[in-house]
Amino acid sequence: DTEVTQTPKHLVMGMTNKKSLKCEQHMGHRAMYWYKQKAKKPPELMFVYSYEKLSINESVPSRFSPECPNSSLLNLHLHALQPEDSALYLCASSQVYTRDLSGNTIYFGEGSWLTVV
Amino acid sequence: ILNVEQSPQSLHVQEGDSTNFTCSFPSSNFYALHWYRWETAKSPEALFVMTLNGDEKKKGRISATLNTKEGYSYLYIKGSQPEDSATYLCAYLNTGNQFYFGTGTSLTVIP
Repeated sequence: DTEVTQTPKHLVMGMTNKKSLKCEQHMGHRAMYWYKQKAKKPPELMFVYSYEKLSINESVPSRFSPECPNSSLLNLHLHALQPEDSALYLCASSQVYTRDLSGNTIYFGEGSWLTVV
Repeated sequence: ILNVEQSPQSLHVQEGDSTNFTCSFPSSNFYALHWYRWETAKSPEALFVMTLNGDEKKKGRISATLNTKEGYSYLYIKGSQPEDSATYLCAYLNTGNQFYFGTGTSLTVIP
């Protein structure tokens, strides 16, 4: 199983709503990532979890709150978002979050399309 | 701000043609270069991870080369097929463990 599964695939939420995006992998990977992608732009890193601990927060606003309940799951809690937060949110995982000579292949989910109205 | 540029931005080729496109990245602090293939509504799929100057990797009809001294990588597709239509993304990893994606090359193979 080399899949990263994200749910929901599509989410429409109001600016006062609280919702969550979920990500799951069963490859035994200990690093998990959230990326945000706006149309025609490269994916931008938001958060990195390594061994269930938050390793990197790329100055993401607090209305995005990541959570890693266990080594297979990664959530992104959303609250009081703005219309400009509408984007594709990609989850990814890799064996570890440290480099090794053979490279660090990152496996992506299909993404969750978020629309904030 | 670190630029990882891919060219061309989009490309249309006839089925059976061979094609190539470029990823340019900073030559300093290089650690690894990744290539991904991303079809619409699917996950980006890892194609290659390249770390050494002069590396050449091959997967079926797709191959890639790496020049870390001058900061570029080429991706080649031999005998393009309609199923090769996708966006091809490169991503540069530096020695500070920072990962930067390129802007992508959108390939359309016309039957």
